[in-house]
Amino acid sequence: KQEVTQIPAALSVPEGENLVLNCSFTDSAIYNLQWFRQDPGKGLTSLLLIQSSQREQTSGRLNASLDKSSGRSTLYIAASQPGDSATYLCAASSFSNDYKLSFGAGTTVTVRA
Amino acid sequence: ETGVTQSPTHLIKTRGQQVTLRCSSQSGHNTVSWYQQALGQGPQFIFQYYREEENGRGNFPPRFSGLQFPNYSSELNVNALELDDSALYLCASRPSGKTEAFFGQGTRLTVV
Repeated sequence: KQEVTQIPAALSVPEGENLVLNCSFTDSAIYNLQWFRQDPGKGLTSLLLIQSSQREQTSGRLNASLDKSSGRSTLYIAASQPGDSATYLCAASSFSNDYKLSFGAGTTVTVRA
Repeated sequence: ETGVTQSPTHLIKTRGQQVTLRCSSQSGHNTVSWYQQALGQGPQFIFQYYREEENGRGNFPPRFSGLQFPNYSSELNVNALELDDSALYLCASRPSGKTEAFFGQGTRLTVV
């Protein structure tokens, strides 16, 4: 069973600082890992998807890495802006169960102007 | 814009009632999944449909059921509503042969 943990639960940084968000998963036989953004009361917006054969993905100011051996993924957001304030969720799927996404509880980020 | 639309956006029901939530996906998105997200928690997998058949289910009781239609729309039905069913219900779809999931904006269900 894939279990996903995100620590810390909340993070507050001043504008311009780089953000580092952590995600841990228990099943190293990971199929893919996806990072999402969620604004209050809203649905999920996909940010980055990393396949099991990949080590990282980049999109603009976002970079996500995947280390299967340690069971970790990290999302980096460069030069944070107040508009980056949201909850960030990571979700993993396993080869044994590739259709099911197992989510962490998320990290709520506040970027102070 | 994910191309996944859910309706209604908000809903209030009384304990014991039944509810139907709807989801419309893009053409070619043959796989649809439903998730329940309680306040302050990550989404929990309810079930998934592929080409109109259920092909995976999470730890939810049988009073949670679903349907998928040929026009890429789907439904989540919940019978005998309980207070703990109050949550944000999310629909996600995937195109054929792809692994990235695209989510709708969710339906906020409140059971009183």
